[in-house]
Amino acid sequence: GENVEQHPSTLSVQEGDSAVIKCTYSDSASNYFPWYKQELGKGPQLIIDIRSNVGEKKDQRIAVTLNKTAKHFSLHITETQPEDSAVYFCAASYNTNAGKSTFGDGTTLTVKP
Amino acid sequence: GAVVSQHPSWVICKSGTSVKIECRSLDFQATTMFWYRQFPKQSLMLMATSNEGSKATYEQGVEKDKFLINHASLTLSTLTVTSAHPEDSSFYICSARELRGRGETQYFGPGTRLLVL
Repeated sequence: GENVEQHPSTLSVQEGDSAVIKCTYSDSASNYFPWYKQELGKGPQLIIDIRSNVGEKKDQRIAVTLNKTAKHFSLHITETQPEDSAVYFCAASYNTNAGKSTFGDGTTLTVKP
Repeated sequence: GAVVSQHPSWVICKSGTSVKIECRSLDFQATTMFWYRQFPKQSLMLMATSNEGSKATYEQGVEKDKFLINHASLTLSTLTVTSAHPEDSSFYICSARELRGRGETQYFGPGTRLLVL
């Protein structure tokens, strides 16, 4: 089955700096890669996703890049703000797997004011 | 759009009782819903995949007689924890799959915190 590894497990940055979280996956059939933000005591919220037919996607301060050859994808947050502090999860899935996603272990991002 | 609700948001119950958690997709139809369990500071563990009108598919190691799932309509799935014990205490989260384009997007509910005394 699919295996997703996420690094780092914790990340602390100064407000205004950039943050990068990386994930690798094992199954070359995976074609959908969402990123979720989970605040304490709440469910995960989809913040950005990318499909395998594109290499990069950007939404304001958030961007995701995908390298299919190397089987890794990354989340980039620029101009970080304290409210970006949360746990971020990456995931990988493919259409024919009943939509099941395999999640990374999460990255706790702390943005210091 | 794409809002998923869960009820209740938290529940405390005595050992041996059963607890039902509801998951609703509020503004879209969800042919597939997923139930997850999350322990503190850990990732999401998929428990089962629920398809409308059919039996749920459970992940390995998840007791289907313990965690009853019903997906009676395109907007509602329920998880019943039967004869709950303290080790069942956890954060339970559902998600609903919205088919869009060539892929699929899962939207998560806010979670239900269960404490079994």
